[in-house]
Amino acid sequence: ILNVEQSPQSLHVQEGDSTNFTCSFPSSNFYALHWYRWETAKSPEALFVMTLNGDEKKKGRISATLNTKEGYSYLYIKGSQPEDSATYLCAPENNNAGNMLTFGGGTRLMVKP
Amino acid sequence: GAVVSQHPSRVICKSGTSVKIECRSLDFQATTMFWYRQFPKQSLMLMATSNEGSKATYEQGVEKDKFLINHASLTLSTLTVTSAHPEDSSFYICSATATTGGLYEQYFGPGTRLTVT
Repeated sequence: ILNVEQSPQSLHVQEGDSTNFTCSFPSSNFYALHWYRWETAKSPEALFVMTLNGDEKKKGRISATLNTKEGYSYLYIKGSQPEDSATYLCAPENNNAGNMLTFGGGTRLMVKP
Repeated sequence: GAVVSQHPSRVICKSGTSVKIECRSLDFQATTMFWYRQFPKQSLMLMATSNEGSKATYEQGVEKDKFLINHASLTLSTLTVTSAHPEDSSFYICSATATTGGLYEQYFGPGTRLTVT
């Protein structure tokens, strides 16, 4: 089981603010890093799958970067909106895992209108 | 896109009874499905990996005789909570893997809220 840490655990921001949070994971045997967005009472929604060191992916106002050598990824949200309120989960996958994901504790984001 | 369903979405049962939860991949075949459990205010904890046609692989600390997993076809995996107790009350969610752009991605079901009284 991988040691995956996400920070902060929770975050309150005002509408329009930009924000970011961190996922830390072991860098050894790295294969891929997944980010999910999980709203209450819904299925976790896949945001990004990242594999290459230095990779940067973007979907609308949300983007993510990856550093596989030091074992971290940042998720950025630009101009937060109330509908961005959710728990953001990261899950690294290593070479020996057989597609098994280990989830971090998540960052719970609340955007106030 | 890949869709995974779970049934039931909510179930309340009495202590000592067994409950079966179904996980189906609706528009793709899933060789591997995963079962997770979420404790209140915590993240998803992997319980077991279910491979079609073979025995499930359970994570440390998960009782295989209590949480029976059957993956009889490429589109269906079931989790049976046997002799349920109040401490088994939790949110159970499954996922199925599919290949998208050469990478494996997990698609999650909507989850099942189990309450044992």
